[in-house]
Amino acid sequence: SQKIEQNSEALNIQEGKTATLTCNYTNYSPAYLQWYRQDPGRGPVFLLLIRENEKEKRKERLKVTFDTTLKQSLFHITASQPADSATYLCALEGYSTLTFGKGTMLLVSP
Amino acid sequence: GAVVSQHPSWVICKSGTSVKIECRSLDFQATTMFWYRQFPKQSLMLMATSNEGSKATYEQGVEKDKFLINHASLTLSTLTVTSAHPEDSSFYICSARPPTYEQYFGPGTRLTVT
Repeated sequence: SQKIEQNSEALNIQEGKTATLTCNYTNYSPAYLQWYRQDPGRGPVFLLLIRENEKEKRKERLKVTFDTTLKQSLFHITASQPADSATYLCALEGYSTLTFGKGTMLLVSP
Repeated sequence: GAVVSQHPSWVICKSGTSVKIECRSLDFQATTMFWYRQFPKQSLMLMATSNEGSKATYEQGVEKDKFLINHASLTLSTLTVTSAHPEDSSFYICSARPPTYEQYFGPGTRLTVT
Protein backbone atom coordinates (compact mmCIF):
# COMPACT_ATOMS: atom_id res chain seq x y z
CA SER A 1 0.00 0.00 0.00
CA GLN A 2 1.04 3.62 -0.46
CA LYS A 3 3.02 5.05 2.40
CA ILE A 4 4.50 8.44 3.24
CA GLU A 5 7.03 8.63 6.04
CA GLN A 6 8.21 11.69 7.85
CA ASN A 7 10.34 11.65 10.95
CA SER A 8 7.92 11.62 13.86
CA GLU A 9 10.50 12.95 16.30
CA ALA A 10 10.70 16.70 16.63
CA LEU A 11 13.75 18.36 15.12
CA ASN A 12 15.39 20.82 17.48
CA ILE A 13 17.88 23.29 16.03
CA GLN A 14 19.42 26.60 16.93
CA GLU A 15 18.50 29.84 15.30
CA GLY A 16 20.60 30.57 12.25
CA LYS A 17 21.25 26.93 11.38
CA THR A 18 19.80 25.05 8.42
CA ALA A 19 16.91 22.71 9.16
CA THR A 20 16.55 19.65 6.95
CA LEU A 21 13.36 17.59 6.98
CA THR A 22 12.88 14.30 5.15
CA CYS A 23 9.93 12.79 3.36
CA ASN A 24 10.15 9.21 2.08
CA TYR A 25 7.47 7.40 0.18
CA THR A 26 6.79 3.92 -1.10
CA ASN A 27 4.43 2.44 -3.69
CA TYR A 28 3.90 5.84 -5.24
CA SER A 29 4.82 7.45 -8.51
CA PRO A 30 3.71 11.00 -7.85
CA ALA A 31 3.74 13.57 -10.60
CA TYR A 32 4.61 16.14 -7.98
CA LEU A 33 5.13 16.62 -4.29
CA GLN A 34 4.12 19.49 -2.04
CA TRP A 35 5.26 20.85 1.30
CA TYR A 36 2.97 22.58 3.77
CA ARG A 37 3.42 24.26 7.12
CA GLN A 38 0.89 23.72 9.90
CA ASP A 39 0.73 25.65 13.16
CA PRO A 40 -1.18 24.19 16.15
CA GLY A 41 -4.95 24.43 15.73
CA ARG A 42 -4.64 25.86 12.21
CA GLY A 43 -5.04 24.59 8.68
CA PRO A 44 -1.93 23.84 6.60
CA VAL A 45 -0.34 26.60 4.54
CA PHE A 46 1.07 25.79 1.11
CA LEU A 47 4.81 26.38 0.80
CA LEU A 48 6.28 24.73 -2.28
CA LEU A 49 5.43 22.33 -5.08
CA ILE A 50 8.06 20.36 -6.98
CA ARG A 51 7.41 18.30 -10.08
CA GLU A 52 8.85 14.87 -10.81
CA ASN A 53 11.09 16.28 -13.53
CA GLU A 54 12.52 18.95 -11.22
CA LYS A 55 15.46 18.15 -8.99
CA GLU A 56 15.32 21.26 -6.86
CA LYS A 57 13.06 24.22 -6.13
CA ARG A 58 13.79 27.33 -4.11
CA LYS A 59 11.69 30.05 -2.54
CA GLU A 60 13.42 32.61 -0.35
CA ARG A 61 14.98 30.64 2.53
CA LEU A 62 13.28 27.39 1.51
CA LYS A 63 14.69 24.69 -0.73
CA VAL A 64 13.11 21.41 -1.73
CA THR A 65 14.74 18.50 -3.54
CA PHE A 66 12.95 15.59 -5.14
CA ASP A 67 14.69 12.31 -5.93
CA THR A 68 12.28 9.95 -7.67
CA THR A 69 14.89 7.17 -7.70
CA LEU A 70 15.35 7.28 -3.94
CA LYS A 71 11.65 8.15 -3.52
CA GLN A 72 12.62 10.95 -1.23
CA SER A 73 12.19 14.69 -0.83
CA LEU A 74 14.29 16.91 1.40
CA PHE A 75 13.01 20.21 2.71
CA HIS A 76 15.57 22.78 3.86
CA ILE A 77 15.12 26.02 5.74
CA THR A 78 18.28 28.10 5.78
CA ALA A 79 19.07 30.73 8.42
CA SER A 80 16.24 29.33 10.53
CA GLN A 81 14.32 31.58 12.91
CA PRO A 82 12.15 30.83 15.96
CA ALA A 83 9.16 31.88 13.82
CA ASP A 84 9.87 28.88 11.60
CA SER A 85 8.84 26.58 14.47
CA ALA A 86 5.86 24.57 13.23
CA THR A 87 4.95 21.17 11.86
CA TYR A 88 5.91 20.60 8.24
CA LEU A 89 3.89 18.21 6.11
CA CYS A 90 4.77 16.65 2.82
CA ALA A 91 1.98 15.63 0.52
CA LEU A 92 1.86 13.56 -2.64
CA GLU A 93 -0.64 13.88 -5.41
CA GLY A 94 -2.46 10.82 -6.62
CA TYR A 95 -5.56 10.89 -8.83
CA SER A 96 -6.25 14.56 -8.09
CA THR A 97 -6.17 14.13 -4.32
CA LEU A 98 -3.39 14.79 -1.84
CA THR A 99 -2.15 12.27 0.68
CA PHE A 100 -0.31 13.79 3.61
CA GLY A 101 2.46 12.50 5.81
CA LYS A 102 2.09 12.90 9.57
CA GLY A 103 4.49 15.79 9.57
CA THR A 104 7.65 16.63 11.43
CA MET A 105 7.68 19.25 14.14
CA LEU A 106 10.51 21.76 13.88
CA LEU A 107 11.57 23.71 16.96
CA VAL A 108 14.01 26.57 16.43
CA SER A 109 15.46 27.92 19.64
CA PRO A 110 16.93 31.43 19.92
CA GLY B 1 -4.55 36.15 -2.44
CA ALA B 2 -5.85 32.57 -2.19
CA VAL B 3 -7.70 32.93 1.10
CA VAL B 4 -10.06 30.25 2.34
CA SER B 5 -12.35 30.87 5.28
CA GLN B 6 -14.18 28.39 7.46
CA HIS B 7 -17.05 28.98 9.79
CA PRO B 8 -17.44 28.33 12.63
CA SER B 9 -13.90 28.04 13.96
CA TRP B 10 -15.12 25.92 16.84
CA VAL B 11 -18.42 24.39 17.85
CA ILE B 12 -19.69 22.33 20.78
CA CYS B 13 -22.85 20.34 20.23
CA LYS B 14 -24.84 17.67 21.98
CA SER B 15 -24.86 14.08 20.84
CA GLY B 16 -27.55 13.45 18.25
CA THR B 17 -27.65 16.96 16.83
CA SER B 18 -26.36 18.10 13.43
CA VAL B 19 -23.65 20.64 12.75
CA LYS B 20 -22.97 22.53 9.53
CA ILE B 21 -19.52 23.83 8.64
CA GLU B 22 -19.03 26.33 5.81
CA CYS B 23 -15.96 26.67 3.63
CA ARG B 24 -15.50 29.66 1.32
CA SER B 25 -12.79 30.63 -1.14
CA LEU B 26 -12.70 34.39 -0.79
CA ASP B 27 -10.67 35.60 -3.74
CA PHE B 28 -10.65 32.79 -6.27
CA GLN B 29 -12.99 30.29 -7.81
CA ALA B 30 -12.46 26.74 -6.63
CA THR B 31 -13.38 24.06 -9.09
CA THR B 32 -12.69 21.49 -6.43
CA MET B 33 -12.97 21.57 -2.66
CA PHE B 34 -11.78 18.95 -0.22
CA TRP B 35 -12.77 18.06 3.33
CA TYR B 36 -10.26 16.59 5.74
CA ARG B 37 -10.37 15.40 9.32
CA GLN B 38 -7.40 15.50 11.64
CA PHE B 39 -7.07 13.80 15.02
CA PRO B 40 -4.39 14.97 17.48
CA LYS B 41 -0.85 14.21 16.30
CA GLN B 42 -2.20 12.49 13.19
CA SER B 43 -2.01 13.38 9.55
CA LEU B 44 -4.84 14.96 7.66
CA MET B 45 -7.22 12.30 6.42
CA LEU B 46 -9.16 13.09 3.28
CA MET B 47 -12.87 12.55 3.77
CA ALA B 48 -14.30 13.65 0.45
CA THR B 49 -13.73 15.59 -2.72
CA SER B 50 -16.43 17.84 -4.07
CA ASN B 51 -16.77 19.49 -7.44
CA GLU B 52 -19.15 22.35 -7.95
CA GLY B 53 -22.59 21.20 -9.02
CA SER B 54 -21.94 17.49 -8.68
CA LYS B 55 -22.06 14.89 -5.95
CA ALA B 56 -19.11 14.55 -3.63
CA THR B 57 -16.75 11.60 -3.91
CA TYR B 58 -16.21 10.04 -0.51
CA GLU B 59 -13.12 8.17 0.63
CA GLN B 60 -13.43 4.59 1.71
CA GLY B 61 -14.82 4.28 5.23
CA VAL B 62 -16.48 7.71 5.26
CA GLU B 63 -20.25 7.50 5.59
CA LYS B 64 -21.84 9.77 3.01
CA ASP B 65 -25.17 9.79 4.84
CA LYS B 66 -23.48 11.00 7.99
CA PHE B 67 -21.20 13.60 6.42
CA LEU B 68 -23.31 15.51 3.92
CA ILE B 69 -21.36 17.68 1.51
CA ASN B 70 -22.85 20.35 -0.69
CA HIS B 71 -20.81 22.36 -3.19
CA ALA B 72 -23.40 24.85 -4.37
CA SER B 73 -21.08 27.35 -6.02
CA LEU B 74 -17.48 27.84 -7.07
CA THR B 75 -16.77 29.60 -3.78
CA LEU B 76 -18.81 27.69 -1.20
CA SER B 77 -18.89 24.15 0.12
CA THR B 78 -20.63 22.94 3.27
CA LEU B 79 -20.11 19.87 5.42
CA THR B 80 -22.97 18.79 7.66
CA VAL B 81 -22.22 16.24 10.37
CA THR B 82 -25.57 14.60 11.00
CA SER B 83 -26.55 12.94 14.28
CA ALA B 84 -23.14 13.73 15.73
CA HIS B 85 -21.60 11.44 18.32
CA PRO B 86 -18.59 11.98 20.61
CA GLU B 87 -16.38 9.94 18.26
CA ASP B 88 -17.03 12.57 15.57
CA SER B 89 -15.17 15.12 17.70
CA SER B 90 -12.22 16.20 15.63
CA PHE B 91 -10.59 19.03 13.70
CA TYR B 92 -12.28 19.44 10.33
CA ILE B 93 -10.38 21.32 7.65
CA CYS B 94 -11.48 22.25 4.15
CA SER B 95 -9.30 23.16 1.23
CA ALA B 96 -10.02 24.76 -2.10
CA ARG B 97 -8.18 24.29 -5.31
CA PRO B 98 -7.96 26.81 -8.12
CA PRO B 99 -7.16 25.47 -11.60
CA THR B 100 -3.58 24.73 -10.52
CA TYR B 101 -2.14 21.96 -8.37
CA GLU B 102 -1.78 23.47 -4.92
CA GLN B 103 -4.51 23.51 -2.33
CA TYR B 104 -5.38 26.38 -0.03
CA PHE B 105 -6.65 25.40 3.36
CA GLY B 106 -9.15 26.98 5.68
CA PRO B 107 -8.24 27.62 9.31
CA GLY B 108 -10.16 24.55 10.46
CA THR B 109 -13.17 23.90 12.67
CA ARG B 110 -12.81 22.23 16.04
CA LEU B 111 -15.91 20.10 16.68
CA THR B 112 -16.61 18.78 20.16
CA VAL B 113 -19.61 16.52 20.65
CA THR B 114 -20.71 16.07 24.25
